[in-house]
Amino acid sequence: GAVVSQHPSRVICKSGTSVKIECRSLDFQATTMFWYRQFPKQSLMLMATSNEGSKATYEQGVEKDKFLINHASLTLSTLTVTSAHPEDSSFYICSANWASSTDTQYFGPGTRLTVL
Amino acid sequence: RKEVEQDPGPFNVPEGATVAFNCTYSNSASQSFFWYRQDCRKEPKLLMSVYSSGNEDGRFTAQLNRASQYISLLIRDSKLSDSATYLCVVREGGGRRALTFGSGTRLQVQP
Repeated sequence: GAVVSQHPSRVICKSGTSVKIECRSLDFQATTMFWYRQFPKQSLMLMATSNEGSKATYEQGVEKDKFLINHASLTLSTLTVTSAHPEDSSFYICSANWASSTDTQYFGPGTRLTVL
Repeated sequence: RKEVEQDPGPFNVPEGATVAFNCTYSNSASQSFFWYRQDCRKEPKLLMSVYSSGNEDGRFTAQLNRASQYISLLIRDSKLSDSATYLCVVREGGGRRALTFGSGTRLQVQP
């Protein structure tokens, strides 16, 4: 089956630093990638939709200047959490839509971010 | 009001039991429906899609009632390995649209 990878799987950083998370589709081209966030004991919440070659669409309440998304190729999208603070500590998960498929989304394994 | 509502549980059941989860969704424009399984600190994994006619995959049966905006999942003959959080998920439109997740129902199967 299709595989989506994320890197890093876990990151611990100091408050004020920026963290970049990569999401890669390993064996298919992803025209659309989604970034979700999950706080403990809560549901996954969509942060933004990333389309290759265009600007990301952010959900209400998600600051685009704080969560920078770049989708420069059909296999890579990056999420940069700028000037991270403890309240940004969360589980960040990407998913990718296969260009040839109308229905299937594939999830990455997630990145656990802890901001001290 | 949450878009997708689920009873958080936990449901504690013995091995071999039958357990049912329910879910309601508020967006009448939803077109696709799924059950995902999420293990602790892992990404969600697709368990099955849900169709109006109802569908079965081994010990798992899913039902959808569009009129009531209600989705169910039935697990028969529970196994220890079924212990996880089950997420009810809906989508408005096709694969290029994002998924909307419920907060999940936790199942603990006990020996």
